[in-house]
Amino acid sequence: DAGVTQSPTHLIKTRGQQVTLRCSPKSGHDTVSWYQQALGQGPQFIFQYYEEEERQRGNFPDRFSGLQVPNYSSELNVNALLLGDSALYLCASSRNGQGQPQHFGDGTRLSIL
Amino acid sequence: GEDVEQSLFLSVREGDSSVINCTYTDSSSTYLYWYKQEPGAGLQLLTYIFSNMDMKQDQRLTVLLNKKDKHLSLRIADTQTGDSAIYFCAEGDGTGFQKLVFGTGTRLLVSP
Repeated sequence: DAGVTQSPTHLIKTRGQQVTLRCSPKSGHDTVSWYQQALGQGPQFIFQYYEEEERQRGNFPDRFSGLQVPNYSSELNVNALLLGDSALYLCASSRNGQGQPQHFGDGTRLSIL
Repeated sequence: GEDVEQSLFLSVREGDSSVINCTYTDSSSTYLYWYKQEPGAGLQLLTYIFSNMDMKQDQRLTVLLNKKDKHLSLRIADTQTGDSAIYFCAEGDGTGFQKLVFGTGTRLLVSP
């Protein structure tokens, strides 16, 4: 039973570029959340997708967008990259419902030059 | 507002017990979680507790919740060198959407 898988593992971009990160949820999970973890910090919630719609969003600008497809996989897109976007981007999946625990992938390390 | 605080660092000897503490501010939090992160890896779910419980035990892990003081602790019995990692406390935001608010993490160092 595969857990949460994310791709790519590492990515290097330059300022102003755009990036797409991908996530496949754990089998049986229908809800996907994205988090940004800066170095030495705890993860910060970006947004959550359920039934192919964004249903909750954290304090991130519109440069951060996403989508979810019918098989529950999800993408995180970031436009006009800034140096401050350098971080580990974590995808978490869960079953829908209060208290359902979120299971995390190993993340995508994004470096902006 | 939501805020989760943890001490930054804990050092113990192998075989001792470790206690990692966490305080949270959102009184509407219904679930509280503990995650472990090893270098270069994502977060591994260790355990979680519902806010109407005081204690939960799972093998070497014991979670204590003091809802009045909004204090959560994770005790690891017989700590091993493989337990060295960063431990994050997280609170569910109580809305049912499962947004998690994380602390800054406690780095646990276990020496032989």
